[in-house]
Amino acid sequence: DIQMTQSPSSLSASVGDRVTITCRASQGISNYLAWYQQQPGKIPKLLIYAASTLQSGVPSRFTGSGYGTDFTLTITSLQPEDVATYYCQKYNSAPLTFGGGTKVEIK
Amino acid sequence: QVQLVESGGGVVQPGKSLRLSCATSGFTFSSSGMHWVRQAPGKGLEWLAVIWYDGSNIQYADSVKGRFTISRDNSENTLYLQMNNLRADDTAVYYCARDFTIAAAAFDSWGQGTRVIVSS
Repeated sequence: DIQMTQSPSSLSASVGDRVTITCRASQGISNYLAWYQQQPGKIPKLLIYAASTLQSGVPSRFTGSGYGTDFTLTITSLQPEDVATYYCQKYNSAPLTFGGGTKVEIK
Repeated sequence: QVQLVESGGGVVQPGKSLRLSCATSGFTFSSSGMHWVRQAPGKGLEWLAVIWYDGSNIQYADSVKGRFTISRDNSENTLYLQMNNLRADDTAVYYCARDFTIAAAAFDSWGQGTRVIVSS
């Protein structure tokens, strides 16, 4: 099975900073990758699918990129409401594996 | 609006069974793939199973294959997860999630979850 590895596992940044999270697949998955945000105590929310397509209603400060095995989620200007754990997920084929998550905090 | 409401969670002894339900509304259930995902306390998300829009294709994570069964009733707009031979490491919040396709892709709506505790 394809493994999904996220890095870092946690980060702390200041409001307004640019934040980048990386997700690496152990084999190529084309662009079949989604990103989710889970704020503390809340359910997950789809941010991006097809590696770079922003889900409706998601702020434009979230951007996704990548293809094959290497993907990134970037928050161009970190806001207080972005405190959350972020997960990547592959969906080229089952199992639809999630990455281990990246916890983002405000410094 | 899209609504997914899980039920059926609770405390159960190891080796016992439990059936979760996910009642849906606000969208055409019979046109959406559906998934179960769980989250153990303090841990990340774990995908468990998918059932295509018409039930024609079902797939499972290795961790639950042979113990859990996903099913759906399109006439009742309801998704199910039959969980047998439960183990302590099945303790988690269980979410149902809607696929944004008829099959298996990304999840654009999630329920609030139902908690399952496996303990003697």
